[in-house]
Amino acid sequence: DAKTTQPTSMDCAEGRAANLPCNHSTISGNEYVYWYRQIHSQGPQYIIHGLKNNETNEMASLIITEDRKSSTLILPHATLRDTAVYYCIVREGSSNTGKLIFGQGTTLQVKP
Amino acid sequence: DAGVIQSPRHEVTEMGQEVTLRCKPISGHDYLFWYRQTMMRGLELLIYFNNNVPIDDSGMPEDRFSAKMPNASFSTLKIQPSEPRDSAVYFCASSLVTEYTEAFFGQGTRLTVV
Repeated sequence: DAKTTQPTSMDCAEGRAANLPCNHSTISGNEYVYWYRQIHSQGPQYIIHGLKNNETNEMASLIITEDRKSSTLILPHATLRDTAVYYCIVREGSSNTGKLIFGQGTTLQVKP
Repeated sequence: DAGVIQSPRHEVTEMGQEVTLRCKPISGHDYLFWYRQTMMRGLELLIYFNNNVPIDDSGMPEDRFSAKMPNASFSTLKIQPSEPRDSAVYFCASSLVTEYTEAFFGQGTRLTVV
């Protein structure tokens, strides 16, 4: 599975959009981009995933560049409860292993 | 469904003792994962099962660690003998593998070995 690179930490003002970048320059054609987050002392939580089209759900939007070498997770109106570590993971969609390998992630601090 | 259930939530034990962590996956899920999280190493995948069969245990750190899944609704992670460096939060997760994987994590077991 391809390696991902994320900034170690970011700040965001409450009510503003939080844009979390991820580089995955070695991604291959059948690999999906997943985002999870981990709020302090809890287990990781799935946010969203995508292959090549932009995706949106009730939690966030995922923007994937046309060459698929990078993506951005967007939390449109960040709240204090969005303070967490955000993990960008690339995994082969057709693989039946199912395993997810987590990197170090981005610590997002939402400030009032 | 109540989600993935882990027990105990906290465990404090003395070095050299046996420790058993327990996990009940979400009903119907066919994959189960054990992760360990520390400040130094982050989230590490230890082992995972598919339909109760261990598929990849390459992340298990030493022979002191063992994991079993006797049936679809229960798994254990055992450390014998435990050491202070085993202190960590251990997470269990389960998923259904379709075209993509959404894994559901338990609340974790915080293990402290003194």
